[in-house]
Amino acid sequence: AQSVAQPEDQVNVAEGNPLTVKCTYSVSGNPYLFWYVQYPNRGLQFLLKYITGDNLVKGSYGFEAEFNKSQTSFHLKKPSALVSDSALYFCAVRDKAAGNKLTFGGGTRVLVKP
Amino acid sequence: EAGVAQSPRYKIIEKRQSVAFWCNPISGHATLYWYQQILGQGPKLLIQFQNNGVVDDSQLPKDRFSAERLKGVDSTLKIQPAKLEDSAVYLCASSSGGGSGRQETQYFGPGTRLLVL
Repeated sequence: AQSVAQPEDQVNVAEGNPLTVKCTYSVSGNPYLFWYVQYPNRGLQFLLKYITGDNLVKGSYGFEAEFNKSQTSFHLKKPSALVSDSALYFCAVRDKAAGNKLTFGGGTRVLVKP
Repeated sequence: EAGVAQSPRYKIIEKRQSVAFWCNPISGHATLYWYQQILGQGPKLLIQFQNNGVVDDSQLPKDRFSAERLKGVDSTLKIQPAKLEDSAVYLCASSSGGGSGRQETQYFGPGTRLLVL
């Protein structure tokens, strides 16, 4: 069965510093990986996805993520965090073996301090 | 382009009562999903529709949950009777459904927050 792990419940970072949110996955076939962000009382907003090709994926709001097959990771990064990046971040994986179902991690809360 | 619409945004009911949620997907999107997000957890898929047919309802508690998408557009999710553990945010999402399902991006609505007392 496919699964996603986000090992950190919360990440604290100072504004202007680099931000990294970790994600590892487990699938039986080739993974399709997604990052979403959730602001309070709002639905999930799509940030970026990895399908195939270049391991470094660029997405919305200056975020990027690096696919590492050997480490089965897909960490989300931003070179310079903003206070407005404070939110809940979810990593998700889709694998054909699981019927194309999207499986989410438990989420990581990011707090960017001024 | 309008996003996924959901209503109501909030609902408070007592256990054993029934409740229904409504979702209108992005125009032209053939695939519609209902997720349950319990506080502190990631969303969990309840049911997936392709047009008006069910693709996956393996995690839907069918003794109390039901969903329909009669005309392949709007969808309703119903809980009857509700239990305390059904307190959660119910998210609706849609995707175009026109290509490979694995590559498609799902777009989410704002969700309905349900509290069962």
